Parts: sequence; structure tokens; C-alpha cells
Amino acid sequence: QVQLVQSGSELKKPGASVKVSCKASGYTFTSYAMNWVRQAPGQGLEWMGWINTNTGNPTYAQGFTGRFVFSLDTSVSTAYLQISSLKAEDTAVYYCARETLGDFDYWGQGTLVTVSS
Amino acid sequence: EIVLTQSPGTLSLSPGERATLSCRASQSVSSSYLAWYQQKPGQAPRLLIYGASSRATGIPDRFSGSGSGTDFTLTISRLEPEDFAVYYCQQYGSSPQITFGQGTRLEIK
Repeated sequence: QVQLVQSGSELKKPGASVKVSCKASGYTFTSYAMNWVRQAPGQGLEWMGWINTNTGNPTYAQGFTGRFVFSLDTSVSTAYLQISSLKAEDTAVYYCARETLGDFDYWGQGTLVTVSS
Repeated sequence: EIVLTQSPGTLSLSPGERATLSCRASQSVSSSYLAWYQQKPGQAPRLLIYGASSRATGIPDRFSGSGSGTDFTLTISRLEPEDFAVYYCQQYGSSPQITFGQGTRLEIK
């Protein structure tokens, strides 16, 4: 069965970096785009962008350029989200989600990133 | 940017009642690219409806989606206790490619 398993919660200080992983199984990793979605505490869903799992080409939504980097390791069917120069407002749950023709049919369980001094 | 506005913000109903949730777009959305998700506390969102009206795998038939253009609706025919959650609509289209509505909280009356 299709599964997306994300890495565990992270507690980071402002200015640090974090790398969240999303390991896919149960399907051909390169057949579907991988998206990232942020959910701040008590807030709604915010699309961050996506990565083409064939070419590795990322596309970032407005507001997620510069400090956010999507990457892949196709040999282990894993997508990554790296955030640098962390700020308190980056505190959120980050989800990876498999995209099928514009909608997200499978989601990771979410990774809580907390930024606090 | 296509903005999705969901209403009401909170809907209070009892089990067995019918729920009607609205999602209005600031510009026309292709029906092929309008989806609905359910999110329960501490869980990832779950795809309910794609293509405006097609149920995702394993979704009970009490959930239905309809609409076109700028107005879309999610209907839950008879509420079960497990249906009380937050619901989001989402569109895929012109840049920025994907946007979500702000959500409707469905709570037990």
C-alpha cells in the first residue's frame, strides 16, 4: 500500500537549519510529483510548492523562495524539505503529499518543526 | 491568484443531519481541478472528493461534491459522529498553481 513516512519532530533555534524527509513506498516514486504543505499552529493549509520527481526540478510558491529547498534521493524514494535561517514564524507542521492530477491523494503524517530560543 | 472562500466558517449540526459546505472561487476553476479534504485533530488531511464530484477511494457515499465555475459544494447527507472535522477545498490551476480555502469547521451541536 502507498505510504509516505516523514521524519520526526524537530526543535531548532532561530537561525538554524532543518531538513525534513519524506520516504515513499508502495508505488513508483518517479511517477508522481511530490508537494509540500505547511500548517501553522491552529491555522489552515498553505501550499509551499512541488518537485518533479523525474527531473528533480522544484517549483516554489510565493513566500517560499530563498530559504526553502526541495530535493530528492530517488535511490531511496525520498523527498526532502530543507529550511534555512529558521524564524519563529516557521513553527508549523510540514506535510509531504503525493500529487495526482492536481490533487493530493496520499499525505505523510506530518513533521512538527518548532523554532524557539 | 485564485482565492477560495469557504463558508460558513463554523457549522454546528447534530448527527443524522445534512451538512452543506460552500467553496467560492475568485475566478473560474476547472471542475477537473477542485478537491475537498477532511482533517481531524492531529491527523493529516484526507482526500474526499476530486474533480469536483468524484469520491476518492474508500470514501463513503454520504459524501458528495458538486458545482462548477466559481461555486462548489460539499454535501454530507447524514452526519456520522466521525464526520465532525475541518474541511478544506483546494484548486489546481493557474499560477500560483495550488490554493486552499481557509476551511470550514464542522462541530457537533
